[in-house]
Amino acid sequence: KNQVEQSPQSLIILEGKNCTLQCNYTVSPFSNLRWYKQDTGRGPVSLTIMTFSENTKSNGRYTATLDADTKQSSLHITASQLSDSASYICVVSDDTNAGKSTFGDGTTLTVKP
Amino acid sequence: GAVVSQHPSRVICKSGTSVKIECRSLDFQATTMFWYRQFPKQSLMLMATSNEGSKATYEQGVEKDKFLINHASLTLSTLTVTSAHPEDSSFYICSATRGTNYNEQFFGPGTRLTVL
Repeated sequence: KNQVEQSPQSLIILEGKNCTLQCNYTVSPFSNLRWYKQDTGRGPVSLTIMTFSENTKSNGRYTATLDADTKQSSLHITASQLSDSASYICVVSDDTNAGKSTFGDGTTLTVKP
Repeated sequence: GAVVSQHPSRVICKSGTSVKIECRSLDFQATTMFWYRQFPKQSLMLMATSNEGSKATYEQGVEKDKFLINHASLTLSTLTVTSAHPEDSSFYICSATRGTNYNEQFFGPGTRLTVL
Protein backbone atom coordinates (compact mmCIF):
# COMPACT_ATOMS: atom_id res chain seq x y z
CA LYS A 1 0.00 0.00 0.00
CA ASN A 2 1.30 3.43 -0.96
CA GLN A 3 2.01 5.60 2.06
CA VAL A 4 3.41 9.05 2.75
CA GLU A 5 4.52 9.92 6.25
CA GLN A 6 5.43 13.41 7.35
CA SER A 7 7.25 14.61 10.40
CA PRO A 8 7.00 16.39 12.65
CA GLN A 9 3.24 16.61 12.96
CA SER A 10 3.57 20.17 14.19
CA LEU A 11 6.37 22.65 14.67
CA ILE A 12 6.70 26.04 16.34
CA ILE A 13 9.60 28.31 15.47
CA LEU A 14 10.53 31.93 15.96
CA GLU A 15 10.37 34.38 13.09
CA GLY A 16 13.62 34.51 11.17
CA LYS A 17 14.67 30.97 12.03
CA ASN A 18 15.10 28.13 9.57
CA CYS A 19 13.30 24.80 9.72
CA THR A 20 13.18 21.49 7.89
CA LEU A 21 10.16 19.29 7.35
CA GLN A 22 10.46 15.62 6.48
CA CYS A 23 8.55 13.32 4.16
CA ASN A 24 9.09 9.56 3.79
CA TYR A 25 7.18 7.57 1.21
CA THR A 26 6.63 4.05 -0.02
CA VAL A 27 4.85 4.93 -3.27
CA SER A 28 5.82 2.68 -6.15
CA PRO A 29 6.42 3.03 -9.00
CA PHE A 30 7.47 6.59 -8.24
CA SER A 31 6.56 9.43 -10.57
CA ASN A 32 6.99 12.67 -8.70
CA LEU A 33 6.89 14.32 -5.31
CA ARG A 34 5.21 17.64 -4.62
CA TRP A 35 5.16 19.97 -1.65
CA TYR A 36 2.15 22.16 -1.05
CA LYS A 37 1.44 24.95 1.38
CA GLN A 38 -2.09 25.12 2.73
CA ASP A 39 -3.24 28.11 4.70
CA THR A 40 -6.08 27.54 7.13
CA GLY A 41 -9.41 27.42 5.29
CA ARG A 42 -7.78 27.59 1.87
CA GLY A 43 -6.83 25.16 -0.86
CA PRO A 44 -3.24 23.89 -1.22
CA VAL A 45 -0.77 25.92 -3.24
CA SER A 46 2.08 24.20 -5.03
CA LEU A 47 5.61 24.95 -3.80
CA THR A 48 7.79 22.45 -5.64
CA ILE A 49 7.49 19.46 -7.95
CA MET A 50 10.34 16.95 -8.28
CA THR A 51 10.73 13.96 -10.53
CA PHE A 52 12.98 10.95 -10.05
CA SER A 53 16.02 12.62 -11.60
CA GLU A 54 15.82 15.80 -9.53
CA ASN A 55 17.29 15.92 -6.06
CA THR A 56 16.78 19.56 -5.20
CA LYS A 57 14.45 22.35 -6.22
CA SER A 58 14.00 25.82 -4.83
CA ASN A 59 11.14 28.27 -4.79
CA GLY A 60 12.22 31.44 -3.05
CA ARG A 61 12.89 30.66 0.59
CA TYR A 62 11.62 27.09 0.12
CA THR A 63 14.07 24.37 -0.91
CA ALA A 64 12.98 20.79 -1.38
CA THR A 65 15.31 17.82 -1.59
CA LEU A 66 14.62 14.33 -2.81
CA ASP A 67 16.53 11.10 -2.23
CA ALA A 68 14.82 8.56 -4.45
CA ASP A 69 17.03 5.76 -3.14
CA THR A 70 15.97 6.17 0.47
CA LYS A 71 12.53 7.49 -0.54
CA GLN A 72 12.88 10.59 1.55
CA SER A 73 12.25 14.25 0.91
CA SER A 74 12.69 17.37 2.96
CA LEU A 75 11.39 20.90 2.70
CA HIS A 76 13.70 23.55 4.12
CA ILE A 77 12.33 26.98 4.91
CA THR A 78 14.87 29.74 5.28
CA ALA A 79 14.45 32.93 7.30
CA SER A 80 10.89 32.11 8.28
CA GLN A 81 8.18 34.75 8.21
CA LEU A 82 4.89 34.95 10.06
CA SER A 83 3.11 34.26 6.78
CA ASP A 84 4.84 30.88 6.59
CA SER A 85 2.46 29.66 9.29
CA ALA A 86 0.46 26.99 7.49
CA SER A 87 0.15 23.27 6.89
CA TYR A 88 2.76 21.80 4.54
CA ILE A 89 1.66 18.73 2.65
CA CYS A 90 3.84 16.21 0.86
CA VAL A 91 2.17 14.45 -2.08
CA VAL A 92 3.65 11.57 -4.04
CA SER A 93 2.29 10.31 -7.36
CA ASP A 94 2.81 6.87 -8.82
CA ASP A 95 3.86 6.27 -12.38
CA THR A 96 0.70 4.64 -13.70
CA ASN A 97 -1.94 5.75 -16.15
CA ALA A 98 -4.15 6.85 -13.30
CA GLY A 99 -1.35 8.88 -11.78
CA LYS A 100 -2.85 8.41 -8.35
CA SER A 101 -1.55 10.72 -5.66
CA THR A 102 -0.92 9.79 -2.05
CA PHE A 103 -1.15 12.64 0.43
CA GLY A 104 0.75 12.95 3.67
CA ASP A 105 -1.05 14.19 6.76
CA GLY A 106 0.89 17.42 6.68
CA THR A 107 3.09 19.33 9.09
CA THR A 108 1.53 22.30 10.81
CA LEU A 109 4.08 25.09 11.08
CA THR A 110 3.57 28.02 13.41
CA VAL A 111 5.95 30.96 13.17
CA LYS A 112 5.89 33.22 16.19
CA PRO A 113 7.21 36.77 16.42
CA GLY B 1 -2.42 31.33 -15.12
CA ALA B 2 -3.94 28.02 -13.97
CA VAL B 3 -6.52 29.39 -11.58
CA VAL B 4 -9.26 27.21 -10.14
CA SER B 5 -12.25 28.73 -8.44
CA GLN B 6 -14.95 27.23 -6.27
CA HIS B 7 -18.40 28.50 -5.46
CA PRO B 8 -19.68 28.98 -2.88
CA SER B 9 -16.76 29.47 -0.49
CA ARG B 10 -18.95 28.49 2.42
CA VAL B 11 -22.49 27.21 2.76
CA ILE B 12 -24.75 26.37 5.67
CA CYS B 13 -27.75 24.16 5.05
CA LYS B 14 -30.37 22.21 6.93
CA SER B 15 -30.17 18.46 7.30
CA GLY B 16 -31.94 16.68 4.45
CA THR B 17 -31.35 19.34 1.82
CA SER B 18 -29.01 19.12 -1.18
CA VAL B 19 -26.07 21.40 -1.82
CA LYS B 20 -24.25 22.01 -5.09
CA ILE B 21 -20.61 23.09 -5.21
CA GLU B 22 -19.06 24.35 -8.42
CA CYS B 23 -15.45 24.03 -9.49
CA ARG B 24 -14.22 26.04 -12.44
CA SER B 25 -10.89 26.25 -14.22
CA LEU B 26 -10.74 29.92 -15.15
CA ASP B 27 -7.94 30.10 -17.69
CA PHE B 28 -7.36 26.59 -18.91
CA GLN B 29 -9.25 23.53 -20.01
CA ALA B 30 -9.30 20.89 -17.33
CA THR B 31 -9.13 17.40 -18.70
CA THR B 32 -9.55 15.92 -15.26
CA MET B 33 -10.94 17.27 -12.04
CA PHE B 34 -10.62 15.77 -8.59
CA TRP B 35 -12.84 16.22 -5.57
CA TYR B 36 -11.45 15.98 -2.04
CA ARG B 37 -12.83 16.39 1.43
CA GLN B 38 -10.80 17.45 4.40
CA PHE B 39 -11.68 17.17 8.06
CA PRO B 40 -10.04 19.43 10.67
CA LYS B 41 -6.36 18.72 11.23
CA GLN B 42 -6.40 15.95 8.61
CA SER B 43 -5.07 15.77 5.10
CA LEU B 44 -7.08 15.75 1.91
CA MET B 45 -8.99 12.58 1.10
CA LEU B 46 -9.75 11.90 -2.53
CA MET B 47 -13.45 11.33 -3.13
CA ALA B 48 -13.66 11.00 -6.88
CA THR B 49 -12.00 11.67 -10.19
CA SER B 50 -14.03 13.12 -13.03
CA ASN B 51 -13.25 13.45 -16.70
CA GLU B 52 -15.21 15.71 -19.00
CA GLY B 53 -18.12 13.92 -20.59
CA SER B 54 -17.80 10.67 -18.69
CA LYS B 55 -18.93 9.26 -15.38
CA ALA B 56 -16.87 10.02 -12.33
CA THR B 57 -14.71 7.36 -10.72
CA TYR B 58 -15.38 7.18 -7.00
CA GLU B 59 -12.94 6.08 -4.33
CA GLN B 60 -13.79 3.12 -2.17
CA GLY B 61 -16.22 4.04 0.56
CA VAL B 62 -17.59 7.13 -1.18
CA GLU B 63 -21.30 6.84 -1.99
CA LYS B 64 -21.82 7.89 -5.59
CA ASP B 65 -25.55 8.37 -5.07
CA LYS B 66 -24.89 10.77 -2.23
CA PHE B 67 -22.08 12.72 -3.83
CA LEU B 68 -23.18 13.40 -7.39
CA ILE B 69 -20.46 14.64 -9.69
CA ASN B 70 -21.08 16.21 -13.08
CA HIS B 71 -18.22 17.25 -15.34
CA ALA B 72 -20.27 18.80 -18.12
CA SER B 73 -17.53 20.88 -19.74
CA LEU B 74 -13.77 21.25 -19.78
CA THR B 75 -13.99 24.14 -17.36
CA LEU B 76 -16.74 23.12 -14.95
CA SER B 77 -17.35 20.27 -12.56
CA THR B 78 -20.02 20.20 -9.89
CA LEU B 79 -20.36 18.19 -6.70
CA THR B 80 -23.85 17.83 -5.27
CA VAL B 81 -24.20 16.57 -1.73
CA THR B 82 -27.66 15.04 -1.63
CA SER B 83 -29.75 14.73 1.50
CA ALA B 84 -26.97 16.27 3.54
CA HIS B 85 -26.45 15.27 7.15
CA PRO B 86 -24.32 16.85 9.88
CA GLU B 87 -21.60 14.25 9.32
CA ASP B 88 -21.20 15.59 5.77
CA SER B 89 -19.98 18.87 7.23
CA SER B 90 -16.45 19.25 5.94
CA PHE B 91 -14.11 21.26 3.76
CA TYR B 92 -14.51 20.25 0.11
CA ILE B 93 -11.68 21.02 -2.29
CA CYS B 94 -11.46 20.45 -6.02
CA SER B 95 -8.42 20.35 -8.21
CA ALA B 96 -7.93 20.36 -11.95
CA THR B 97 -5.23 19.13 -14.27
CA ARG B 98 -4.26 20.22 -17.75
CA GLY B 99 -3.85 17.70 -20.52
CA THR B 100 -2.75 14.28 -19.36
CA ASN B 101 -0.30 15.60 -16.80
CA TYR B 102 -2.01 14.55 -13.61
CA ASN B 103 0.93 15.80 -11.68
CA GLU B 104 0.25 19.43 -12.44
CA GLN B 105 -2.73 19.76 -10.13
CA PHE B 106 -4.18 23.16 -9.41
CA PHE B 107 -6.37 23.36 -6.35
CA GLY B 108 -9.40 25.48 -5.75
CA PRO B 109 -9.79 27.55 -2.57
CA GLY B 110 -12.22 25.09 -1.02
CA THR B 111 -15.83 25.18 0.14
CA ARG B 112 -16.76 24.95 3.79
CA LEU B 113 -20.02 23.00 4.17
CA THR B 114 -21.86 23.08 7.47
CA VAL B 115 -24.99 20.96 7.81
CA LEU B 116 -27.21 21.85 10.75
